Amino acid sequence: AQRVTQPEKLLSVFKGAPVELKCNYSYSGSPELFWYVQYSRQRLQLLLRHISRESIKGFTADLNKGETSFHLKKPFAQEEDSAMYYCAASGNTGKLIFGQGTTLQVKP
Amino acid sequence: DTAVSQTPKYLVTQMGNDKSIKCEQNLGHDTMYWYKQDSKKFLKIMFSYNNKELIINETVPNRFSPKSPDKAHLNLHINSLELGDSAVYFCASSGGTGTSGYTGELFFGEGSRLTVL
Repeated sequence: AQRVTQPEKLLSVFKGAPVELKCNYSYSGSPELFWYVQYSRQRLQLLLRHISRESIKGFTADLNKGETSFHLKKPFAQEEDSAMYYCAASGNTGKLIFGQGTTLQVKP
Repeated sequence: DTAVSQTPKYLVTQMGNDKSIKCEQNLGHDTMYWYKQDSKKFLKIMFSYNNKELIINETVPNRFSPKSPDKAHLNLHINSLELGDSAVYFCASSGGTGTSGYTGELFFGEGSRLTVL
């Protein structure tokens, strides 16, 4: 079955500390992987996708096919990074499946 | 300019009632979706339409019926509301579907919070 798992409901770090939000997937074929973010009182929006291999707002994510993981990382967390983060996977049917979400709390 | 807009934002109703949530997008996208976010913030796809045609229909009770009068609109009608239907319903749209221009980037509305008493 297609599944995206984010094991942590809440991740709390201090400003300036490194951040890693974990994501594992179970998907047939070669899915595309994404991270979406929802800041307080804002819409859910795309943060980054694995095929772009880009860094957005200091965040990067590497697809590890051997471990079926797509963890989101940032070397130095900022208070404005506090938000809900969703990992998502999509096959070629256009169905985007989300993980359970992780709330990132960056304390001053 | 609001890209994906949903109405109403909040809806409080009694069990057994019938209600509708409307969604409109002005992005010119071909595909629209309904997602349900439960109390644990879990987002689950319900339906997807491409150019007014139903392409994704997850295991959702028959009481939920989507309707797409044109590719810019996707409404969700819910009959005989139950307590378990309380959730935030998100509409989204994307350009293309499947292998035809699909990028995986969905544009979401602000959500409609439904509370069933």
